[in-house]
Amino acid sequence: DGGITQSPKYLFRKEGQNVTLSCEQNLNHDAMYWYRQDPGQGLRLIYYSQIVNDFQKGDIAEGYSVSREKKESFPLTVTSAQKNPTAFYLCASSIFWRANEQFFGPGTRLTVL
Amino acid sequence: AQSVTQLDSQVPVFEEAPVELRCNYSSSVSVYLFWYVQYPNQGLQLLLKYLSGSTLVKGINGFEAEFNKSQTSFHLRKPSVHISDTAEYFCAVEPSQGGSEKLVFGKGTKLTVNP
Repeated sequence: DGGITQSPKYLFRKEGQNVTLSCEQNLNHDAMYWYRQDPGQGLRLIYYSQIVNDFQKGDIAEGYSVSREKKESFPLTVTSAQKNPTAFYLCASSIFWRANEQFFGPGTRLTVL
Repeated sequence: AQSVTQLDSQVPVFEEAPVELRCNYSSSVSVYLFWYVQYPNQGLQLLLKYLSGSTLVKGINGFEAEFNKSQTSFHLRKPSVHISDTAEYFCAVEPSQGGSEKLVFGKGTKLTVNP
């Protein structure tokens, strides 16, 4: 089955620690995205990648970093510089940039204690 | 830049009743419009999209939406809801012309279907 996997589903970290969220897709999609979801706030774009070895900042990139070394993988690191990291993080992909449909993973809920 | 306003943050309805979830957008250029659904603790799934052509768009699970350019609206409707339709629904907009503009989501409407 093709799809997007995110791991882990739940993640707990102490304040001040960096943490990396995994996102893998086997859909052969060029574009990948990371969103942050907070209650009542909708989805906000953190970073996106139109193609492998390339990525751009989204609307709320401060305190986050990404890499796109492989087409199928787009990990997100939440650094200690992120002021309020507790949130639900969603990874998505599309066949190409602005392809009119994004496919979403099941999400990772990060709680910083 | 585009923006999306979902006029209701929560909509409670009874099973088998009709429902309308309202979405208005703002944009200086022509746009594509989308509705996504998110079931509890899951990712989002595309319900339907308007790209061009007929302003009445039919999607999955019996949902439909109508694009109204003059009122800059894209309301989602279902004539008879089921318990399983309980979820959060997101309206989204993207410029139809190419470039760096990205998909913008509204803040979501939580639909609760009660027995």
